[in-house]
Amino acid sequence: DTGVSQDPRHKITKRGQNVTFRCDPISEHNRLYWYRQTLGQGPEFLTYFQNEAQLEKSRLLSDRFSAERPKGSFSTLEIQRTEQGDSAMYLCASSFRDLTTDTQYFGPGTRLTVL
Amino acid sequence: AQSVTQPDIHITVSEGASLELRCNYSYGATPYLFWYVQSPGQGLQLLLKYFSGDTLVQGIKGFEAEFKRSQSSFNLRKPSVHWSDAAEYFCAVVGGATNKLIFGTGTLLAVQP
Repeated sequence: DTGVSQDPRHKITKRGQNVTFRCDPISEHNRLYWYRQTLGQGPEFLTYFQNEAQLEKSRLLSDRFSAERPKGSFSTLEIQRTEQGDSAMYLCASSFRDLTTDTQYFGPGTRLTVL
Repeated sequence: AQSVTQPDIHITVSEGASLELRCNYSYGATPYLFWYVQSPGQGLQLLLKYFSGDTLVQGIKGFEAEFKRSQSSFNLRKPSVHWSDAAEYFCAVVGGATNKLIFGTGTLLAVQP
């Protein structure tokens, strides 16, 4: 078990460019979450996948944001036409729900800077 | 709606001193509660969790937390702080059917030698 991994760890882009982040969850975890964390704040929920189905999206997820989880394994988060306000840490978490517990394990995050 | 309040934005303690970080939640039913720790530029590491049962929960690195329903609190404690405990600490509650986490704004802990 290598934990949740995210790639890249850092991304610097110019305003208006598109960016894509990848998350590889812990193997056999069927649940995957994306969060966004801005400076001085706690993480905020963006979207949730159960297997390959995207079951919830936050109102924070504007139409410039899209997420996928093909085949229920890794996930990608794409931001189109980036804006300076998109600068944040993007965190991915995965979990496996059983009868008694559902604990999310987080990756190291991708820090996005939009110039 | 569910929410989490961490009243202390920044706390400084001396190494070896005891620590208590406050967390208050708002939730209609029995909450699932978590404490995570985040070192600079890193992701979140789970310290401990409360789902049910014993209201005093033991976690990693010598941390514990006590669930008090009457006070809607889930405060994190450590009897003797080490310099390596300096980090930001987040309390979270599960919200909604998808079990998304709702976080507080965090408490930044500094440890003086």
